[in-house]
Amino acid sequence: QKEVEQNSGPLSVPEGAIASLNCTYSDRGSQSFFWYRQYSGKSPELIMFIYSNGDKEDGRFTAQLNKASQYVSLLIRDSQPSDSATYLCAVNRVNRDDKIIFGKGTRLHILP
Amino acid sequence: GAGVSQSPRYKVAKRGQDVALRCDPISGHVSLFWYQQALGQGPEFLTYFQNEAQLDKSGLPSDRFFAERPEGSVSTLKIQRTQQEDSAVYLCASSPTGQRNSPLHFGNGTRLTVT
Repeated sequence: QKEVEQNSGPLSVPEGAIASLNCTYSDRGSQSFFWYRQYSGKSPELIMFIYSNGDKEDGRFTAQLNKASQYVSLLIRDSQPSDSATYLCAVNRVNRDDKIIFGKGTRLHILP
Repeated sequence: GAGVSQSPRYKVAKRGQDVALRCDPISGHVSLFWYQQALGQGPEFLTYFQNEAQLDKSGLPSDRFFAERPEGSVSTLKIQRTQQEDSAVYLCASSPTGQRNSPLHFGNGTRLTVT
């Protein structure tokens, strides 16, 4: 099992709809969870982080964490064409060295 | 304020050449990370500094890779005798704390192409 797994996509969502991006992780002790957005040819940009079970909302973005299921998701409401990017899930690897490990990312395409 | 700055933005090297990639982190940031990102992949950890101390270099793929941060600010990643498999984007990131699980602020990266 990969340490951080994401569906590579592309995930196509109509403009104005909710985009749902999912991520699973293998280290049960992980405590820090991040979502980064990466536009083509650009560097990753932090958009959300979450440390506790439940939901965390910031504008149109909601991060959801379920540690029992080792699952973290990102919801984007009212999707805009400018949301089209690759979304990287990142998790800290507690059981070895606490470093942040990235998934391969999910490509999101918002259809105008 | 200024973000993380990396130079050069692009580098083309012939196989066997040495290259040096520079990272200027956000002022005052304690932690500095280097990641390697191949096309279509997520960033892969290379090495981690806390101030001038290199606390983790477990991700460096071979002894051709060397990183330093002698004064606890600017860092240089050096790759000796470059190979084609070294072609990737090299990302530098910093964070204000000494905890390696803090949110990262990335630079724009250096795209290295080895021909």
